[in-house]
Amino acid sequence: GESVGLHLPTLSVQEGDNSIINCAYSNSASDYFIWYKQESGKGPQFIIDIRSNMDKRQGQRVTVLLNKTVKHLSLQIAATQPGDSAVYFCAENFSGSARQLTFGSGTQLTVLP
Amino acid sequence: DAGVTQSPTHLIKTRGQQVTLRCSPKSGHDTVSWYQQALGQGPQFIFQYYEEEERQRGNFPDRFSGHQFPNYSSELNVNALLLGDSALYLCASSGLTGGNTEAFFGQGTRLTVV
Repeated sequence: GESVGLHLPTLSVQEGDNSIINCAYSNSASDYFIWYKQESGKGPQFIIDIRSNMDKRQGQRVTVLLNKTVKHLSLQIAATQPGDSAVYFCAENFSGSARQLTFGSGTQLTVLP
Repeated sequence: DAGVTQSPTHLIKTRGQQVTLRCSPKSGHDTVSWYQQALGQGPQFIFQYYEEEERQRGNFPDRFSGHQFPNYSSELNVNALLLGDSALYLCASSGLTGGNTEAFFGQGTRLTVV
């Protein structure tokens, strides 16, 4: 079956540096993508989303880039803070799936002091 | 706004037993989806409820069933529990306006089957 996957399972960055988390998806029909942050013992928390008619979307300290040609998503976090330490998931959805999200396995981001 | 609330937060059951998990969606949301998250993995879609009916189902056996009530809240039932059913069960709610919308997750119910 088609699935969303992540390039790196772990990522360590220094506090204040920028972080980049990557994600590959394989379903060319996917038209909506979401990044979630999940802290230990909690449910996934929405960070930012992007629709397939866009290449880039910015939020507060976060930017999502979508490259449909190579089916790649990235999440950029500016000035990474200790509170950003968590597991980050990308999820994909296509309109015909009634909002069934397909998640990757996640990237553990650790922010070093 | 209380967001998505799930109960209980933790649960321990014995193999072969049955369990019911509950979810109240975010205010204004009418669609509830359930996900199973095994340790160290991403959530996997179980099924989705809208207008009190199961609208879509993932690759889970019939031991997993659900229900949605008129107030949009939902239950997930798992029969004949197996050790492998131990996981974090997540409920997500979303609205139906305007196509794709973000899904909000609850904090989950940690189910341990012994």
